[in-house]
Amino acid sequence: DAGVIQSPRHEVTEMGQEVTLRCKPISGHDYLFWYRQTMMRGLELLIYFNNNVPIDDSGMPEDRFSAKMPNASFSTLKIQPSEPRDSAVYFCASSFGGVFYEQYFGPGTRLTVT
Amino acid sequence: DAKTTQPPSMDCAEGRAANLPCNHSTISGNEYVYWYRQIHSQGPQYIIHGLKNNETNEMASLIITEDRKSSTLILPHATLRDTAVYYCIVSSSNSGYALNFGKGTSLLVTP
Repeated sequence: DAGVIQSPRHEVTEMGQEVTLRCKPISGHDYLFWYRQTMMRGLELLIYFNNNVPIDDSGMPEDRFSAKMPNASFSTLKIQPSEPRDSAVYFCASSFGGVFYEQYFGPGTRLTVT
Repeated sequence: DAKTTQPPSMDCAEGRAANLPCNHSTISGNEYVYWYRQIHSQGPQYIIHGLKNNETNEMASLIITEDRKSSTLILPHATLRDTAVYYCIVSSSNSGYALNFGKGTSLLVTP
């Protein structure tokens, strides 16, 4: 298996622009997680899905952030409009059923908002 | 979730055992201890987990004290590729599926 795939790996955008981050989980995994990592706040869980349904989005910072999972093999995290404080590395992770703690992380997307 | 305390950094000579401590004095009976690591510029990687018994896998050993208030992750023969930030996480199904990664311990393995 190729592991969790994220795209793009790097994104540089200007403040106010819409940003879409993409994730393909490992085939057969039914949980998908979006995390954000910054030096100040460390690694934070934003939202997670089970069987394509959002379960807990309490970590989503504000309404500018939205996440979707239209099918078992694809998820997006959208920021509209983007702000400089959104600059971070965004990770997607997936896991299988009752083994939720063994999450497999993608390589991350480094977002820079100028 | 119970809170964890880890030293911010540690050094270890290549080939020696690396012993990474974690304090979780407020852990409750149904909470597990999980360890992850994050090599620079990569996503975190699951290492091992345990409830009360010591555990071993191909990557590491986990020693949990009898009172479960602390644990130690042991890398038996550290290599340069083990240089990473190591996170000790305490969680249970009661907290849903959130893993609180905290600050972790930055381990530097030196030649």
